[in-house]
Amino acid sequence: LAKTTQPISMDSYEGQEVNITCSHNNIATNDYITWYQQFPSQGPRFIIQGYKTKVTNEVASLFIPADRKSSTLSLPRVSLSDTAVYYCLVVLNSGYSTLTFGKGTMLLVSP
Amino acid sequence: DTGVSQDPRHKITKRGQNVTFRCDPISEHNRLYWYRQTLGQGPEFLTYFQNEAQLEKSRLLSDRFSAERPKGSFSTLEIQRTEQGDSAMYLCASSSGEKLFFGSGTQLSVL
Repeated sequence: LAKTTQPISMDSYEGQEVNITCSHNNIATNDYITWYQQFPSQGPRFIIQGYKTKVTNEVASLFIPADRKSSTLSLPRVSLSDTAVYYCLVVLNSGYSTLTFGKGTMLLVSP
Repeated sequence: DTGVSQDPRHKITKRGQNVTFRCDPISEHNRLYWYRQTLGQGPEFLTYFQNEAQLEKSRLLSDRFSAERPKGSFSTLEIQRTEQGDSAMYLCASSSGEKLFFGSGTQLSVL
């Protein structure tokens, strides 16, 4: 099962674009890359998922290079409410996931 | 879609007591997961159900932990003879595909 590595923390200011990169060197052919957001005292919330190239939704974009050994979550024009922990997770295309989340990236957005 | 519901939200117990948590997944989801999360760490996988069948259980999980999903709907997680090290947030998630939907968790404090 692919193990992920991402920065422990990042700082940003309101209105800036934030890019969080996750490494998953041993990702398998059938794995998808998924990102979750977690606020204190809440369960993680799904943000975005992709297999290759680029995926965009109303919240974020996900960039995946051709070798799929890394991925970058891009949050456009962050606000204070985007302060949270962001987790990168690699899951089988069947949806069956027994992976433990890593420590995630703590994003702090300041005024 | 009423989301994943967990009960209780908080539980304080004395060491040695048994506790039981309940999870009500999203109704059409056949997959249900239990995770445990301690401060500063990502969610740690505990066990996984597909319908009523418990298909996977973490090797790190003590025999004091048991989970059931009797009719493939709600699930319970029981911890027997609680220890202080069991203090954590217990999260339930459900899915029908790659995306996990988490509840708000049960915060357990063992005194």
